[in-house]
Amino acid sequence: QVQLQQWGARLLKPSETLSLTCAVYGGSFSGYYGNWIRQPPGKGLEWIGEINDSGSTNYNPSLKSRVTISMDTSKSQVSLKLSSVTAADTAVYYCARASAYSTSSGLNSWGQGTRVTVSS
Amino acid sequence: QSVLTQPPSMSAAPGQKVTISCSGSSSNIGNNYVSWYQQLPGTAPKLLIYDNNKRPLGIPDRFSGSKSGTSATLGITGLQTGDEADYYCGTWDTSLSAGRVFGGGTKLTVL
Repeated sequence: QVQLQQWGARLLKPSETLSLTCAVYGGSFSGYYGNWIRQPPGKGLEWIGEINDSGSTNYNPSLKSRVTISMDTSKSQVSLKLSSVTAADTAVYYCARASAYSTSSGLNSWGQGTRVTVSS
Repeated sequence: QSVLTQPPSMSAAPGQKVTISCSGSSSNIGNNYVSWYQQLPGTAPKLLIYDNNKRPLGIPDRFSGSKSGTSATLGITGLQTGDEADYYCGTWDTSLSAGRVFGGGTKLTVL
Protein backbone atom coordinates (compact mmCIF):
# COMPACT_ATOMS: atom_id res chain seq x y z
CA GLN A 1 0.00 0.00 0.00
CA VAL A 2 1.34 3.39 -1.01
CA GLN A 3 2.12 5.78 1.82
CA LEU A 4 3.30 9.37 1.67
CA GLN A 5 5.35 10.70 4.57
CA GLN A 6 6.26 14.36 4.84
CA TRP A 7 8.51 16.43 7.05
CA GLY A 8 9.95 19.91 7.46
CA ALA A 9 10.20 22.96 9.69
CA ARG A 10 6.99 23.76 11.54
CA LEU A 11 7.70 27.22 12.95
CA LEU A 12 8.95 30.04 10.76
CA LYS A 13 9.48 33.76 11.13
CA PRO A 14 8.10 36.23 8.57
CA SER A 15 10.30 36.52 5.44
CA GLU A 16 11.83 33.06 5.93
CA THR A 17 11.52 30.21 3.42
CA LEU A 18 9.19 27.28 4.08
CA SER A 19 10.76 23.97 3.14
CA LEU A 20 8.94 20.61 3.16
CA THR A 21 9.77 17.18 1.72
CA CYS A 22 7.48 14.26 0.94
CA ALA A 23 8.57 10.67 0.31
CA VAL A 24 6.60 7.81 -1.23
CA TYR A 25 6.83 4.35 0.33
CA GLY A 26 5.49 1.28 -1.44
CA GLY A 27 5.47 3.09 -4.78
CA SER A 28 7.06 5.91 -6.72
CA PHE A 29 6.28 9.16 -8.52
CA SER A 30 6.92 7.58 -11.91
CA GLY A 31 3.77 8.18 -13.96
CA TYR A 32 2.37 10.47 -11.31
CA TYR A 33 2.21 14.12 -10.34
CA GLY A 34 3.44 15.09 -6.91
CA ASN A 35 1.18 17.81 -5.56
CA TRP A 36 1.25 20.22 -2.63
CA ILE A 37 -1.99 21.48 -1.10
CA ARG A 38 -2.49 23.62 1.99
CA GLN A 39 -5.34 24.29 4.38
CA PRO A 40 -5.36 27.43 6.56
CA PRO A 41 -6.89 26.99 10.02
CA GLY A 42 -10.64 26.50 9.75
CA LYS A 43 -10.63 26.96 5.98
CA GLY A 44 -10.77 24.88 2.81
CA LEU A 45 -8.15 23.33 0.55
CA GLU A 46 -5.85 25.45 -1.60
CA TRP A 47 -3.73 23.90 -4.33
CA ILE A 48 -0.12 25.10 -4.38
CA GLY A 49 1.34 23.26 -7.35
CA GLU A 50 2.56 20.00 -8.85
CA ILE A 51 5.46 18.32 -10.62
CA ASN A 52 5.73 15.19 -12.74
CA ASP A 53 8.60 12.75 -13.15
CA SER A 54 9.89 14.69 -16.15
CA GLY A 55 10.25 17.79 -14.02
CA SER A 56 7.34 19.64 -15.59
CA THR A 57 5.63 21.91 -13.08
CA ASN A 58 2.34 23.76 -12.69
CA TYR A 59 1.81 26.35 -9.99
CA ASN A 60 -1.12 28.22 -8.50
CA PRO A 61 -0.89 31.64 -10.19
CA SER A 62 -1.46 33.39 -6.85
CA LEU A 63 1.65 31.73 -5.35
CA LYS A 64 3.78 31.19 -8.44
CA SER A 65 6.28 33.96 -7.72
CA ARG A 66 7.21 32.42 -4.36
CA VAL A 67 6.91 28.66 -5.00
CA THR A 68 9.41 26.07 -6.18
CA ILE A 69 8.49 22.38 -6.36
CA SER A 70 11.16 19.82 -7.20
CA MET A 71 11.39 16.05 -7.47
CA ASP A 72 14.17 13.58 -6.73
CA THR A 73 13.06 10.47 -8.61
CA SER A 74 15.93 8.39 -7.24
CA LYS A 75 14.62 8.95 -3.73
CA SER A 76 10.90 9.07 -4.69
CA GLN A 77 10.67 12.46 -3.04
CA VAL A 78 9.07 15.77 -3.88
CA SER A 79 9.94 19.02 -2.15
CA LEU A 80 8.24 22.36 -1.65
CA LYS A 81 9.87 25.72 -1.06
CA LEU A 82 7.78 28.81 -0.39
CA SER A 83 9.75 32.00 0.03
CA SER A 84 9.06 35.21 1.93
CA VAL A 85 6.40 33.68 4.16
CA THR A 86 3.93 35.77 6.15
CA ALA A 87 1.27 34.94 8.70
CA ALA A 88 -1.11 34.31 5.80
CA ASP A 89 0.96 31.22 4.94
CA THR A 90 0.12 29.58 8.26
CA ALA A 91 -1.61 26.35 7.34
CA VAL A 92 -1.48 22.57 7.31
CA TYR A 93 0.50 21.58 4.23
CA TYR A 94 -0.22 18.27 2.49
CA CYS A 95 1.59 16.41 -0.23
CA ALA A 96 -0.51 14.21 -2.50
CA ARG A 97 -0.05 12.01 -5.56
CA ALA A 98 -2.18 11.97 -8.69
CA SER A 99 -1.98 9.80 -11.79
CA ALA A 100 -0.56 11.62 -14.79
CA TYR A 101 -3.15 10.33 -17.30
CA SER A 102 -5.12 13.55 -16.84
CA THR A 103 -4.58 16.95 -15.25
CA SER A 104 -7.85 16.41 -13.40
CA SER A 105 -7.15 12.90 -12.13
CA GLY A 106 -7.92 12.33 -8.48
CA LEU A 107 -5.42 12.86 -5.68
CA ASN A 108 -5.36 9.25 -4.57
CA SER A 109 -2.70 9.26 -1.87
CA TRP A 110 -2.07 11.95 0.74
CA GLY A 111 0.61 12.66 3.28
CA GLN A 112 -0.26 13.07 6.94
CA GLY A 113 0.00 16.85 6.80
CA THR A 114 2.48 19.27 8.39
CA ARG A 115 1.19 22.16 10.45
CA VAL A 116 3.31 25.21 9.66
CA THR A 117 3.04 28.37 11.73
CA VAL A 118 4.51 31.71 10.71
CA SER A 119 4.99 34.02 13.66
CA SER A 120 7.49 36.61 14.82
CA GLN B 1 -13.90 32.73 -2.75
CA SER B 2 -13.63 29.26 -4.26
CA VAL B 3 -13.84 28.62 -8.00
CA LEU B 4 -16.23 25.73 -7.35
CA THR B 5 -19.38 26.36 -5.31
CA GLN B 6 -20.61 23.94 -2.65
CA PRO B 7 -23.21 24.40 0.09
CA PRO B 8 -21.33 25.24 3.31
CA SER B 9 -23.27 22.75 5.41
CA MET B 10 -25.83 19.99 5.26
CA SER B 11 -27.40 17.67 7.78
CA ALA B 12 -29.36 14.44 7.69
CA ALA B 13 -30.34 11.60 9.97
CA PRO B 14 -28.63 8.21 10.10
CA GLY B 15 -29.86 5.87 7.39
CA GLN B 16 -30.97 8.68 5.11
CA LYS B 17 -29.54 9.81 1.79
CA VAL B 18 -27.83 13.12 1.08
CA THR B 19 -26.59 14.75 -2.11
CA ILE B 20 -23.89 17.42 -2.13
CA SER B 21 -23.67 19.69 -5.13
CA CYS B 22 -20.63 21.29 -6.75
CA SER B 23 -21.15 24.01 -9.31
CA GLY B 24 -18.52 25.31 -11.71
CA SER B 25 -18.13 26.45 -15.30
CA SER B 26 -17.03 25.31 -18.73
CA SER B 27 -13.40 26.09 -17.86
CA ASN B 28 -13.37 23.57 -15.03
CA ILE B 29 -16.12 21.01 -14.39
CA GLY B 30 -17.54 21.33 -17.89
CA ASN B 31 -14.41 19.96 -19.54
CA ASN B 32 -12.56 18.01 -16.86
CA TYR B 33 -12.96 15.10 -14.49
CA VAL B 34 -14.36 15.78 -11.03
CA SER B 35 -13.10 14.19 -7.83
CA TRP B 36 -14.58 14.15 -4.35
CA TYR B 37 -12.69 14.03 -1.06
CA GLN B 38 -13.75 13.24 2.50
CA GLN B 39 -11.92 14.92 5.36
CA LEU B 40 -12.66 13.53 8.80
CA PRO B 41 -11.84 15.87 11.71
CA GLY B 42 -8.11 16.25 12.24
CA THR B 43 -7.12 14.02 9.32
CA ALA B 44 -5.89 14.37 5.75
CA PRO B 45 -8.44 14.32 2.93
CA LYS B 46 -9.23 10.95 1.36
CA LEU B 47 -10.24 10.34 -2.25
CA LEU B 48 -13.85 9.13 -2.44
CA ILE B 49 -14.70 9.55 -6.13
CA TYR B 50 -12.50 10.14 -9.17
CA ASP B 51 -13.18 10.62 -12.89
CA ASN B 52 -16.70 11.87 -12.04
CA ASN B 53 -18.13 8.56 -10.87
CA LYS B 54 -15.43 5.97 -10.11
CA ARG B 55 -14.69 4.69 -6.61
CA PRO B 56 -11.17 3.73 -5.47
CA LEU B 57 -10.74 0.28 -4.00
CA GLY B 58 -12.14 0.13 -0.50
CA ILE B 59 -14.70 2.92 -0.89
CA PRO B 60 -18.18 1.49 -0.26
CA ASP B 61 -20.86 1.77 -2.92
CA ARG B 62 -22.88 3.97 -0.55
CA PHE B 63 -20.82 6.76 -2.11
CA SER B 64 -21.55 7.75 -5.71
CA GLY B 65 -20.68 10.57 -8.05
CA SER B 66 -22.21 12.09 -11.13
CA LYS B 67 -21.61 15.02 -13.45
CA SER B 68 -23.90 16.94 -15.77
CA GLY B 69 -22.68 19.94 -17.71
CA THR B 70 -20.91 22.28 -15.33
CA SER B 71 -22.15 20.69 -12.12
CA ALA B 72 -21.30 17.57 -10.16
CA THR B 73 -22.98 15.74 -7.32
CA LEU B 74 -21.81 13.44 -4.54
CA GLY B 75 -24.42 11.06 -3.19
CA ILE B 76 -24.23 9.23 0.11
CA THR B 77 -26.84 6.63 1.03
CA GLY B 78 -27.40 4.82 4.30
CA LEU B 79 -25.80 7.64 6.28
CA GLN B 80 -23.69 6.64 9.27
CA THR B 81 -22.38 8.75 12.12
CA GLY B 82 -18.89 8.01 10.80
CA ASP B 83 -19.77 9.90 7.61
CA GLU B 84 -19.78 13.17 9.55
CA ALA B 85 -16.98 15.07 7.83
CA ASP B 86 -16.07 17.84 5.41
CA TYR B 87 -16.50 16.99 1.73
CA TYR B 88 -14.66 18.74 -1.10
CA CYS B 89 -15.06 18.58 -4.85
CA GLY B 90 -12.06 19.19 -7.07
CA THR B 91 -11.10 19.44 -10.71
CA TRP B 92 -8.75 21.27 -13.08
CA ASP B 93 -9.39 24.79 -14.33
CA THR B 94 -8.13 25.96 -17.71
CA SER B 95 -8.87 29.66 -17.31
CA LEU B 96 -6.33 32.35 -16.40
CA SER B 97 -6.31 30.82 -12.92
CA ALA B 98 -5.22 27.50 -14.41
CA GLY B 99 -4.56 24.65 -12.07
CA ARG B 100 -6.29 22.36 -9.62
CA VAL B 101 -9.26 23.96 -7.95
CA PHE B 102 -11.45 22.88 -5.05
CA GLY B 103 -14.85 23.73 -3.76
CA GLY B 104 -15.13 25.54 -0.46
CA GLY B 105 -16.19 22.34 1.27
CA THR B 106 -19.45 21.06 2.74
CA LYS B 107 -19.65 20.17 6.41
CA LEU B 108 -21.97 17.18 6.73
CA THR B 109 -23.61 16.61 10.10
CA VAL B 110 -25.26 13.28 10.76
CA LEU B 111 -27.83 13.99 13.44
